[in-house]
Amino acid sequence: NAGVTQTPKFQVLKTGQSMTLQCAQDMNHNSMYWYRQDPGMGLRLIYYSASEGTTDKGEVPNGYNVSRLNKREFSLRLESAAPSQTSVYFCASSPPRQGLWPQHFGDGTRLSIL
Amino acid sequence: GIQVEQSPPDLILQEGANSTLRCNFSDSVNNLQWFHQNPWGQLINLFYIPSGTKQNGRLSATTVATERYSLLYISSSQTTDSGVYFCAVSTGNQFYFGTGTSLTVIP
Repeated sequence: NAGVTQTPKFQVLKTGQSMTLQCAQDMNHNSMYWYRQDPGMGLRLIYYSASEGTTDKGEVPNGYNVSRLNKREFSLRLESAAPSQTSVYFCASSPPRQGLWPQHFGDGTRLSIL
Repeated sequence: GIQVEQSPPDLILQEGANSTLRCNFSDSVNNLQWFHQNPWGQLINLFYIPSGTKQNGRLSATTVATERYSLLYISSSQTTDSGVYFCAVSTGNQFYFGTGTSLTVIP
């Protein structure tokens, strides 16, 4: 099925380790997003990329970096993982006009940091 | 950022009942979506509805942008409707989610 693919689906890290979460979409969308979802809460935007070659901070960017590798791929990196970053991470994409078109989500990456 | 409030926070229904979920937002927006997060954690698009009314089967949604609210109607609820319903709004670059309505439909 066409859509947004996230890898890995599950990961356990130790405090201080680094990790990159991968996201790819095959819908030819321009905009891509990374969110985190904590228990009992809605999603909060970490970073977004309006188009290839551009990235911008969202609501909760501290402790994360992103790379828009090409139009299809948008990765999220934790340089030195902390327990507060234990969460479910979702990647999303949307068509040309950012913010003005519906978003499509991946199935999430469940990340635990010990 | 924009504040998004959803009500009620929790809802338990008997199968076959109808319900209305509400989303209030604090500022003008140009994008509003409703999502269903199923028990497996997947986020499913229900409606893209910055204004007006849309219907899809047993679900319908209405957004009154001038009054800064949106409503999601679920009719003849089924157990498969269980999960969390999120409203998300955008002013252009960033999306803001509400904390959701957790719906449980009992057989």
